[in-house]
Amino acid sequence: KAGVTQTPRYLIKTRGQQVTLSCSPISGHRSVSWYQQTPGQGLQFLFEYFSETQRNKGNFPGRFSGRQFSNSRSEMNVSTLELGDSALYLCASSLAAGGPSTDTQYFGPGTRLTVL
Amino acid sequence: QKEVEQNSGPLSVPEGAIASLNCTYSDRVSQSFFWYRQYSGKSPELIMSIYSNGDKEDGRFTAQLNKASQYVSLLIRDSQPSDSATYLCAPYSNYQLIWGAGTKLIIKP
Repeated sequence: KAGVTQTPRYLIKTRGQQVTLSCSPISGHRSVSWYQQTPGQGLQFLFEYFSETQRNKGNFPGRFSGRQFSNSRSEMNVSTLELGDSALYLCASSLAAGGPSTDTQYFGPGTRLTVL
Repeated sequence: QKEVEQNSGPLSVPEGAIASLNCTYSDRVSQSFFWYRQYSGKSPELIMSIYSNGDKEDGRFTAQLNKASQYVSLLIRDSQPSDSATYLCAPYSNYQLIWGAGTKLIIKP
């Protein structure tokens, strides 16, 4: 079974631009979560989607948004990029079918975003 | 505030020895607990999951959970140089993994 895929893998943008990152979950997985990882802050939760509904959101400004499509694929968007948005953006998917064992999240390779 | 505490290390262990990684958490609601391994520049890779108090063994890895003490640990037996990585403890609560800062483990040949 194919794993979680993320595109693009690397991205360079300038301040003020916007960016869209894409994530395709493992087949059959209905939950997609997004995390930001930086050397200073570590891993931080952005948001989680299940069946096209956002169930939880982390403490990030409104410039960070996401959505999930009916096929469970997800995108996240960052508008008006700032230097501090440079990070590894990770997507994870899970079955989320009820019960703790289905909460297990599997990560994609990440998108490395550099803001100049 | 939800918190996960891990010793940031680095923890240096001789090859073939047992590596012991510890984690405490503050969110009593968490019912699922995960250990991930992350190599530099790579994404987290699932090592173990544990949901019930006690021990869970998988190959060279043993996870231990004590919900009353809000404590999770990971033991790695017969440590190999390839085990050198950062190990992340992550309770799950409210649809999200709550991350510790991770413990950097170095296995010395």
